[in-house]
Parts: sequence; structure tokens; C-alpha cells
Amino acid sequence: EDQVTQSPEALRLQEGESSSLNCSYTVSGLRGLFWYRQDPGKGPEFLFTLYSAGEEKEKERLKATLTKKESFLHITAPKPEDSATYLCAVQAGTGGTSYGKLTFGQGTILTVHP
Amino acid sequence: KAGVTQTPRYLIKTRGQQVTLSCSPISGHRSVSWYQQTPGQGLQFLFEYFSETQRNKGNFPGRFSGRQFSNSRSEMNVSTLELGDSALYLCASSAQPGLAGETQYFGPGTRLLVL
Repeated sequence: EDQVTQSPEALRLQEGESSSLNCSYTVSGLRGLFWYRQDPGKGPEFLFTLYSAGEEKEKERLKATLTKKESFLHITAPKPEDSATYLCAVQAGTGGTSYGKLTFGQGTILTVHP
Repeated sequence: KAGVTQTPRYLIKTRGQQVTLSCSPISGHRSVSWYQQTPGQGLQFLFEYFSETQRNKGNFPGRFSGRQFSNSRSEMNVSTLELGDSALYLCASSAQPGLAGETQYFGPGTRLLVL
């Protein structure tokens, strides 16, 4: 069974204090790893898709990286508006069992204080 | 381009009732997946539809069902509601999903409260 574990569960940062969120995964046949941001009461907002080890993607203050066992979401000089829950998800498997199915971690709640 | 829309946004039902939730995907997207989100279990996959066919299903009881129409809009139904069905139900759409990890875009969700 696919497993996704995110750490830490919660992270409190001061504005401008850079840090990283971790997503460890155990899957059979990774098809893609996804990062989402979710604000309270809203649906997840897509951030990045990573497909293979060594891949990196950047968007504003965020950078996502991928290895064969984990992914990191690096946040550089965060601002209060970056406060949200960050979710990691994988699509994995062979054949029809992977269609449309994302397996999510429990998320990291990020709070950035001004 | 308009995003994924879900209706209604909020619902209150009582145990034993049934409920139908609706999802309109992004224009041109043909796949719709449904998820249940609760504080204890997080986001869990319910099922996926593509071209009006259910291609994949998660580990939920048969009380949870869905369908997709020819215009790619989808509905999910929960019969004989239980207190534990209270959750945020999320719909996500993707363009042409296969095995290569197509990005899913989520709607705002329907908040269901079962009393």
C-alpha cells in the first residue's frame, strides 16, 4: 500500500526565516509527486508536479525537489501570506489502480509570523 | 478559464438521508476524481471517472457512488448517511489522465454536516 508521510506536522517561522518541509513516500511505481497548498475552508491549490528523481521546480519563494524516497518543499524568506497547510500527494501503481488516484500525506501546517 | 465548481457549498442532513453533490470540471477536462477530507483521516480517494466510466475506486462502502455525464460533469451520491460521513467533499479534474501522473485541479469543496 502506498504511504506518504509529511514532517513536521506544524511549523512556525518568523517572516524571512527560510525552512524546508519534508515528504517521504513508499510506493510501487511512482507516476508523479504533487505539492498543494490549502487555506482553511478551501480546496487544495496546485503548486508543483515532479516526475523523476533529481527534478526541481521553483515558483516565487517556493522550490520543490525530488529524490527516490522523498521530496522537499523549500520556502525562502517566507511572508505571512505563505501561512497555509502544505499537502504532498503521489500517484503510483501500475495499470488501472493508479487512474485518478492521489494518495495524500497528512500535511504540514505552516504559520509565518510578521 | 473557469476553475472547478462544486455545488452546493454547504449541506446539513440527518442520519439516514441521502445526498447528491455536483461537480463541473475545468472546460476541456475529461477526468473527475472525488475525495473525502476529514480532520482524522485527511484526504482520501473515493473514485475517478473518465468518459462516463468509473475507472478506479477507493476503499469506501457501497453507500458512496457516483456518475459522470457526457459533458464531463459529475455527481456523487451518499445514501443512508452516517454521522461519520460529515466531511469536506472535494472534486478534482484533469485533462487527459493516464498513467503518467496528470495534475489534478481541485474545486472549493462541499461541506457536509450530518446530524
